[in-house]
Amino acid sequence: DAKTTQPPSMDCAEGRAANLPCNHSTISGNEYVYWYRQIHSQGPQYIIHGLKNNETNEMASLIITEDRKSSTLILPHATLRDTAVYYCIARSPNQGGSEKLVFGKGTKLTVNP
Amino acid sequence: EAGVVQSPRYKIIEKKQPVAFWCNPISGHNTLYWYLQNLGQGPELLIRYENEEAVDDSQLPKDRFSAERLKGVDSTLKIQPAELGDSAVYLCASSLSSRSEAFFGQGTRLTVV
Repeated sequence: DAKTTQPPSMDCAEGRAANLPCNHSTISGNEYVYWYRQIHSQGPQYIIHGLKNNETNEMASLIITEDRKSSTLILPHATLRDTAVYYCIARSPNQGGSEKLVFGKGTKLTVNP
Repeated sequence: EAGVVQSPRYKIIEKKQPVAFWCNPISGHNTLYWYLQNLGQGPELLIRYENEEAVDDSQLPKDRFSAERLKGVDSTLKIQPAELGDSAVYLCASSLSSRSEAFFGQGTRLTVV
């Protein structure tokens, strides 16, 4: 699995967009970018994933650069409940590939009132 | 729909004692994972099951850790004997297949004294 690099911490004002960056310069063509978050004392929660195209769901948007070497998770209107550690993971879905989720240390996002 | 259920939520034991954690995955999910999470770190995979078969247990310390998933549904993770360094959160996750997003339980926080 490709290694991902994230800033250790970020702050965001409540109601503003939170943009969380992730570098994955060694990602291979068949590796998806997954985002999970972990709120204090809870298990990780799936947010979104993508391969090449930008993706959006009810929780967030995922913007992947054309060269796929980096991506940004966007929480359009951050709330206090979005305070959590956000993990960016590169994952291969192919048969025989490593299908496990390899977590790094993630980004601690603090949403301030 | 019920999520991944783990029990107990918290466990305190003395070193050298045995301990067991139980996980009930989401109904219909064939893939089950056990992760270990140390304080301030991301989760690390211990073992992955496809139905009742352990297909990736390379990170499981087999001298003291064991796991089983009878009938391909519930799973139990055991430590015998526990050591001080085993204090951590043990997370269970499940997914429809190894290529689908994983859903995590709340975890069991183990403290070995």
